[in-house]
Amino acid sequence: DGGITQSPKYLFRKEGQNVTLSCEQNLNHDAMYWYRQDPGQGLRLIYYSQIVNDFQKGDIAEGYSVSREKKESFPLTVTSAQKNPTAFYLCASNGASSYNSPLHFGNGTRLTVT
Amino acid sequence: GEDVEQSLFLSVREGDSSVINCTYTDSSSTYLYWYKQEPGAGLQLLTYIFSNMDMKQDQRLTVLLNKKDKHLSLRIADTQTGDSAIYFCAEKGGSSYKLIFGSGTRLLVRP
Repeated sequence: DGGITQSPKYLFRKEGQNVTLSCEQNLNHDAMYWYRQDPGQGLRLIYYSQIVNDFQKGDIAEGYSVSREKKESFPLTVTSAQKNPTAFYLCASNGASSYNSPLHFGNGTRLTVT
Repeated sequence: GEDVEQSLFLSVREGDSSVINCTYTDSSSTYLYWYKQEPGAGLQLLTYIFSNMDMKQDQRLTVLLNKKDKHLSLRIADTQTGDSAIYFCAEKGGSSYKLIFGSGTRLLVRP
């Protein structure tokens, strides 16, 4: 079955450490996205990538970094510069070239930084 | 900029209909989507409507679009306890592949 796999489901880190969240898709989608979800605030876009080796900042990119070396993979690094990293992180993908392109989501990674 | 707004909370009795409302500001919206999120999970696409349609029905789900008022609603008939979740409205602008999400409506279904 095609889908998006995020790992791990739960992640715990100490303050000051960088941490990388994994996202892999086998849907052959061109575009991939990272969202952050906080209670009562909906989804906020961190970074997105339309094609391999290219990505753009979203609305809240500060303190995060990404890479897109392969079509299937879009890892997100939460750096120590992110002031409030504890959140639920969602990865998504769609066929950017399609006019109707609903997002397909992974099951998320809950990051807790203490 | 674009904005999508939803009420935060809705409580209904099992068997009743639920209506979740959404308003958006982007007049160039092409597709509008409804997603469902269960606790600790990602978002699941429920249904979508193209902006030149007024209504779309899919089993227990009915989507109504009032393009003039930029108002979208999702009606769930015969609401079940398994429908308890957060429901997100999202819109796709004409020239963009990105989706803009509302903050979500938490639906609680009481037995």
